Amino acid sequence: AQTVTQSQPEMSVQEAETVTLSCTYDTSESDYYLFWYKQPPSRQMILVIRQEAYKQQNATENRFSVNFQKAAKSFSLKISDSQLGDAAMYFCAYKGDNYGQNFVFGPGTRLSVLP
Amino acid sequence: GAGVSQSPSNKVTEKGKDVELRCDPISGHTALYWYRQSLGQGLEFLIYFQGNSAPDKSGLPSDRFSAERTGGSVSTLTIQRTQQEDSAVYLCASSRGSGGAGEQFFGPGTRLTVL
Repeated sequence: AQTVTQSQPEMSVQEAETVTLSCTYDTSESDYYLFWYKQPPSRQMILVIRQEAYKQQNATENRFSVNFQKAAKSFSLKISDSQLGDAAMYFCAYKGDNYGQNFVFGPGTRLSVLP
Repeated sequence: GAGVSQSPSNKVTEKGKDVELRCDPISGHTALYWYRQSLGQGLEFLIYFQGNSAPDKSGLPSDRFSAERTGGSVSTLTIQRTQQEDSAVYLCASSRGSGGAGEQFFGPGTRLTVL
């Protein structure tokens, strides 16, 4: 079974600085998808970014980018120019490519942004 | 179109009562998921519906918990004889359900408080 690990329960970053959140996963599959979700205090889960495993190029969405290392099974999220609104829980998630496969979520990292 | 909706947004009940939580997924999404999230914690998978397949009930914590999905659309999560430890936010999500990067879209959750 696949597992997702986030080794940083809590992180903090100064406003306008850069922070990297770690995620590692375990799988024997070659085709899969990885996601980062954000959950602010409002508790609404929002997709931040996703990566297809068959793509070597790292995904980027504005200030958010990932460092996808397939061989190392690592999928870290970098937030540049951190803003107060980035404060939230961040969850890393895995999904296999086969029909009907469930999502597997990591335990989450709570990010605080300091003014 | 509309996103995933859940009702009620908040529910307070007395220990021993039964409760029903409702989820309306995005139209056309064949996959529907229920999660439980205790305060400040990660997502605990409960149950997963995929099309007409038998649901994956492997996450249900006890036989007091059950869920159904009528007509492949609306889902109801029922908790019988509620206990104080059932207090949590219950999140519903839906996805296209096909193989591929069909990310989950989450509802706003139902906060359940058992007195």
